[in-house]
Amino acid sequence: AQSVTQLGSHVSVSEGALVLLRCNYSSSVPPYLFWYVQYPNQGLQLLLKYTTGATLVKGINGFEAEFKKSETSFHLTKPSAHMSDAAEYFCAVSLKTSYDKVIFGPGTSLSVIP
Amino acid sequence: GAVVSQHPSRVICKSGTSVKIECRSLDFQATTMFWYRQFPKQSLMLMATSNEGSKATYEQGVEKDKFLINHASLTLSTLTVTSAHPEDSSFYICSARDGKGVLSQQETQYFGPGTRLLVL
Repeated sequence: AQSVTQLGSHVSVSEGALVLLRCNYSSSVPPYLFWYVQYPNQGLQLLLKYTTGATLVKGINGFEAEFKKSETSFHLTKPSAHMSDAAEYFCAVSLKTSYDKVIFGPGTSLSVIP
Repeated sequence: GAVVSQHPSRVICKSGTSVKIECRSLDFQATTMFWYRQFPKQSLMLMATSNEGSKATYEQGVEKDKFLINHASLTLSTLTVTSAHPEDSSFYICSARDGKGVLSQQETQYFGPGTRLLVL
């Protein structure tokens, strides 16, 4: 069975500082990995995803994530935080053999301090 | 592309009434749609998966008679909360998958903006 953990339910960074949101997964088969962002009272927006190929994935709004199989990690980073980045971030995993079963992590709330 | 809408965005109802929530894919054919429930400060929990033209598959612990799902067309799925009670108050989010698109689209679920249900 797959599972996702996100270290830190709440992360606070200063505007302009590096953003690092951690995600670790467990999966018995090669996974698909996703990062979604949720703004208050809104649905989820796809930031980026890893399926195959290059392990460093670039997404929208300057975010990127690197798939590290040896560490079973898919951490999300952004070099310089912006006030508009304050939101809830969810890491998710699905299987290549079953796109429908997406398992979400518990989420990390990002605050950006001016 | 890959836009999913939900209607209504917010609904308040009295206990005992039924509420219908619509989920539409606007620019693709959603062969599969999903309904999630999200409690405050928590992650999404999958309630059910529906494939166009067939019955929905409910997750363990979700009452199929209480949460009726219909996926009658490739662009529309509805969730009806029957005889709603205060404990059904939550944020309901749908997502859709384009099973007929290119692989990169098939692999991804696209989410609607959510519906806030408050049962008094």
